[in-house]
This record gives sequence, C-alpha cells and structure tokens, in this order.
Amino acid sequence: DTAVSQTPKYLVTQMGNDKSIKCEQNLGHDTMYWYKQDSKKFLKIMFSYNNKELIINETVPNRFSPKSPDKAHLNLHINSLELGDSAVYFCASSPSPYTEAFFGQGTRLTVV
Amino acid sequence: DAKTTQPNSMESNEEEPVHLPCNHSTISGTDYIHWYRQLPSQGPEYVIHGLTSNVNNRMASLAIAEDRKSSTLILHRATLRDAAVYYCILRKGGSEKLVFGKGTKLTVNP
Repeated sequence: DTAVSQTPKYLVTQMGNDKSIKCEQNLGHDTMYWYKQDSKKFLKIMFSYNNKELIINETVPNRFSPKSPDKAHLNLHINSLELGDSAVYFCASSPSPYTEAFFGQGTRLTVV
Repeated sequence: DAKTTQPNSMESNEEEPVHLPCNHSTISGTDYIHWYRQLPSQGPEYVIHGLTSNVNNRMASLAIAEDRKSSTLILHRATLRDAAVYYCILRKGGSEKLVFGKGTKLTVNP
C-alpha cells in the first residue's frame, strides 16, 4: 500500500538509450512532481503537473519528457541518455501545488 | 528564491532533544518555512511547516523567531531513526516549488 511508488528502483543503461521511469500515487492527489538528486546530493525540481497539466518545467533538456496519462500517474521518459543524467530521480505528489509533498523511494539511474 | 543557511552537520545523543537551526534573513512576508528530512537511501519526508507562529506536530516542533529571520526545528527526543539530512526550505505562498539547499546532516549517537 505504498503511497508513491516508482519503478524501477535501479536502472543501469548505456549512453544513447531511451528509458522510462514510472510513478504512481494512490493518495488521490492532484499534483505530481519529478525531482532530480545529483551526485552532490542537491535536490532540484524538474517538472510539476496539476490535474494532468504541466505547471512547472525547470530548464530541463527536452530529452526529458514527462507524461501524465491520468492524475495518479506521472511517468518520465528520457531520450538519448547521457552520462550526466546519472542521478537519483524522485517522484512526489501533493494534494495541491501548495501543500506538503510525499516522495517516492527514488530511482537510481546509472548511465554507462 | 529566498535563501536559507543551515549548519552542515550536527550530532546528538539518543533520547536527548535536538535543536536544528536555520537562518533565512531575506525571508519575505509570504514565505512559508518548511522542513523536510531525508533518511539514508530514501526520498525526502515532510516534517513540519509554519508561517509566523510556532507549530507542533507528532514528529517535531517548529520555533519561529519574532522577526522570522530564523527558525529552529526541535526534535524532542532523538532516536537513531532520526538520523537524516534535514532541509529547511522557504516556500513562497502560491508557489509550487520546493527549493532544497544542502541541509544539515544529523547524526544520533546511541
């Protein structure tokens, strides 16, 4: 009964590949996010969706494309993976854009 | 985004109170003070937030200075499970963004 779940937990892939990370929340929240935590442990917001509509896109390369098929899901698709994309990616959700966020366990992406 | 300053690390002993400080001298009137923590190998976890008045919940207390230029997160009795990185974040009212800084790494000694 995990509130915010991401799959896979670990992802190792070669440069140039395309990969997706899935996120689902069962909290009935309207807002979902993707955050990236780099090797220096800085957490930065990438995208935010509210009711399936994009509300934040933080200067992320257009190789990253979020997709929200419904309010409970926000998937992250990454094209042409680069070494610098290696990081831990966290999905989160909140009841509204201005309230506390609930984070998933993260997906550790390693590009080799 | 208004900036926060926290010590890089702090140590505490189990079952003792812990006071985690945060300076935010450029805070504006619409900024909420949020605290999150990140346990090892886990996602961030909401702890508490406030605007002007002190706040209490089951996890912690938040003490906000009268001028709002600083705040303190208080863990009343630290346990080993409280060892984590604690982030103090200013979130503008009406903003969807949480802007994380470096945080304070709390070590709890048995």
